[in-house]
Amino acid sequence: EAGVTQSPTHLIKTRGQQATLRCSPISGHTSVYWYQQALGLGLQFLLWYDEGEERNRGNFPPRFSGRQFPNYSSELNVNALELEDSALYLCASSWSGTHTEAFFGQGTRLTVV
Amino acid sequence: KQEVTQIPAALSVPEGENLVLNCSFTDSAIYNLQWFRQDPGKGLTSLLLIQSSQREQTSGRLNASLDKSSGRSTLYIAASQPGDSATYLCAVRDDSWGKLQFGAGTQVVVTP
Repeated sequence: EAGVTQSPTHLIKTRGQQATLRCSPISGHTSVYWYQQALGLGLQFLLWYDEGEERNRGNFPPRFSGRQFPNYSSELNVNALELEDSALYLCASSWSGTHTEAFFGQGTRLTVV
Repeated sequence: KQEVTQIPAALSVPEGENLVLNCSFTDSAIYNLQWFRQDPGKGLTSLLLIQSSQREQTSGRLNASLDKSSGRSTLYIAASQPGDSATYLCAVRDDSWGKLQFGAGTQVVVTP
């Protein structure tokens, strides 16, 4: 069974551009989570989608946005990129519910130059 | 506001020794606690999930305990190997809003 897949693996953008990161959850999982891991910092919660709806959002500016598609895959968009947006972006998926196990993808390394 | 702390931040042991990694959390009203492993520049690999009603979980050389009332979990790795070198993270799910709250991790080096 395929795990959580993220694309692209690496992404290099120029300051001010937009970046789009994609995540395909494990088959059957309806919840998708996005986290940012900047160098030397811990995992910071970005967004949680469940059944196509945004359920919770972390303390990030509005230029971080996303959506979840009918097949439960998800997209994270970062507009007006800043140098400090350079980080590893991790996606996780789980079954819906509060007692479920989360599984992570390998991440997208975003570099803003 | 839930805070998750992992001590120590880094740990180095010779091969064959047992590893003991600690995780503490401030709000005991959690649904579950999950231990992960992260290799440099990679994603997270789930190691163990402990539900709030459980006291421990075991998988191979790994054993995790949970004391919800005191806000603590401990991950034991028996007979460590160089391949166990990685950063270990614990995370708690503590409300209906779905997110996992992570500790900063313990970086482990197992020397041959």
